Amino acid sequence: GEDVEQSLFLSVREGDSSVINCTYTDSSSTYLYWYKQEPGAGLQLLTYIFSNMDMKQDQRLTVLLNKKDKHLSLRIADTQTGDSAIYFCAESRLTGGGNKLTFGTGTQLKVEL
Amino acid sequence: KAGVTQTPRYLIKTRGQQVTLSCSPISGHRSVSWYQQTPGQGLQFLFEYFSETQRNKGNFPGRFSGRQFSNSRSEMNVSTLELGDSALYLCASSLNQRGHNEQFFGPGTRLTVL
Repeated sequence: GEDVEQSLFLSVREGDSSVINCTYTDSSSTYLYWYKQEPGAGLQLLTYIFSNMDMKQDQRLTVLLNKKDKHLSLRIADTQTGDSAIYFCAESRLTGGGNKLTFGTGTQLKVEL
Repeated sequence: KAGVTQTPRYLIKTRGQQVTLSCSPISGHRSVSWYQQTPGQGLQFLFEYFSETQRNKGNFPGRFSGRQFSNSRSEMNVSTLELGDSALYLCASSLNQRGHNEQFFGPGTRLTVL
């Protein structure tokens, strides 16, 4: 199957850490991505991780990958109001000579003062 | 470098009509993918074009079609519009590297079918 699942909502207070979780089903996925979508906008790539890595850190963002459990998470440190958005995880598979992205359902992050 | 552009940004059509959406990729990008985003179904892959050929296709009816031109610009067409086709249509372009293939998204075209 190609289902990628995420929880729908997450609410945190400004300054706290946010953790957004994602589970995927395709063990042949090569890269896993996190995208951010702000209201009325397209998707912005935040970070990605190669499937043979366990962790990747990029400034306030930390991605953890548990390949055995097919579980991916995105931690945002010191969450700010500007981080309020919908976050999508996506898995990439080689197919037809190219890469096809399958997106999760999206998690709406709300940052409260 | 200019980003991915999509035109028009907003469109209102009635059932039964057809619509054509346009996407101009980032200069040098040869792969263009299209996605449909709706509140109920989320982000769903429509198709991908590379070098004027459809390389991948999602699970959408034949009413959804597309093409790519020699300059990598792409269009998608939806015929016999249905209410359920109301959605944000996103286009993404990439360099077509095997492996990490970062897709850059345009702002989308918001289609409303009345």
